[in-house]
Amino acid sequence: DAGVIQSPRHEVTEMGQEVTLRCKPISGHDYLFWYRQTMMRGLELLIYFNNNVPIDDSGMPEDRFSAKMPNASFSTLKIQPSEPRDSAVYFCASSLGAGGHNSPLHFGNGTRLTVT
Amino acid sequence: AQSVAQPEDQVNVAEGNPLTVKCTYSVSGNPYLFWYVQYPNRGLQFLLKYITGDNLVKGSYGFEAEFNKSQTSFHLKKPSALVSDSALYFCAVSYSGAGSYQLTFGKGTKLSVIP
Repeated sequence: DAGVIQSPRHEVTEMGQEVTLRCKPISGHDYLFWYRQTMMRGLELLIYFNNNVPIDDSGMPEDRFSAKMPNASFSTLKIQPSEPRDSAVYFCASSLGAGGHNSPLHFGNGTRLTVT
Repeated sequence: AQSVAQPEDQVNVAEGNPLTVKCTYSVSGNPYLFWYVQYPNRGLQFLLKYITGDNLVKGSYGFEAEFNKSQTSFHLKKPSALVSDSALYFCAVSYSGAGSYQLTFGKGTKLSVIP
């Protein structure tokens, strides 16, 4: 199993530009999560999907952030326009049957975003 | 509401000595407790979990954790630390009866094992 695959690993962009982060979950997993990690705020859940349907996006910081999951094997997190305060490491994670809240998450290696 | 606290930002231990990384939690139902480890430039990796049953849970890489309901704690332990155990450790909590997904992570504890 290749695990959760995220791309790109690093992204450097200028303020105002659009940024798209990509994620391929583990095959067969029915939950997909997007997290953001910063030194100041730790790990924050942005949004999660169940069977490709967004369930809770209350963690998305602003309307500049959007996420989609067009099929079971692909998800994107988009920031438009990007701002320097969006600089962070963004993680995608997937899980099988997380609805019971007792299933472990499998994380990708993250995308380190730097907005200048 | 739920919360998890890792009271130590950093723990230093000599190689071969036992290690403990502390975690306390607060939930409104029966807790589901997790430990994850993060190596530099990597995502979090699942170590172990407590759902129900035996209070002592064994996980990957020789780690174990003890659930203590009266003290609302779930400390991570290992009898003999290795230099390769040096990493960032996260405790996380959810609970039975939660509606929307409610896994909450602690701030993390940096473990340094000194040769």
